[in-house]
Amino acid sequence: SQQGEEDPQALSIQEGENATMNCSYKTSINNLQWYRQNSGRGLVHLILIRSNEREKHSGRLRVTLDTSKKSSSLLITASRAADTASYFCATERGAGGTSYGKLTFGQGTILTVHP
Amino acid sequence: NAGVMQNPRHLVRRRGQEARLRCSPMKGHSHVYWYRQLPEEGLKFMVYLQKENIIDESGMPKERFSAEFPKEGPSILRIQQVVRGDSAAYFCASSPPGRVRNEQFFGPGTRLTVL
Repeated sequence: SQQGEEDPQALSIQEGENATMNCSYKTSINNLQWYRQNSGRGLVHLILIRSNEREKHSGRLRVTLDTSKKSSSLLITASRAADTASYFCATERGAGGTSYGKLTFGQGTILTVHP
Repeated sequence: NAGVMQNPRHLVRRRGQEARLRCSPMKGHSHVYWYRQLPEEGLKFMVYLQKENIIDESGMPKERFSAEFPKEGPSILRIQQVVRGDSAAYFCASSPPGRVRNEQFFGPGTRLTVL
């Protein structure tokens, strides 16, 4: 397995439901970031959570980070059809508070929200 | 403040030709990262540059690939003698200067097709 693995690989839900995606990683990190990618498009940054944070909110997004389990989850509440996209977690390694910005991405979770 | 710009958006090359991909980071950003995304996969780090310096090229193939970020002008990812396996989406990201890293802002990508 590799750094930044998402689970599940694909998720299909109805509009209005919540969507939860998980991410596991292997090494110590400086921060973990979630990105969204619509089919054939670039990446859009959603949220960044630092290694000393446990939970973060942004609108309908909620991210948790458990450094003891080396895992993170992304929750999208009250999903909409427009949330249909691929979601990637990316980790930035760090040791002693320094890092050099290299992001390691997982394979992504394909979320489909049906109207 | 314009976002990260990449050009061309689509590039078609025949085997053996050269591909030059350009990336203009966001204004004020001095860190540039190149990633490659194969179909149905996550992004893979290739190289990290600061102005006139390559900081980390651990993800870049040793042969045929090179990258630069000159004092003036965009960052260039150059692929010589392209092969079909080079067909992918190449994304550039930038981040502001500073010891504490923040989110990376991604460009729309260049989709390279090698015939």
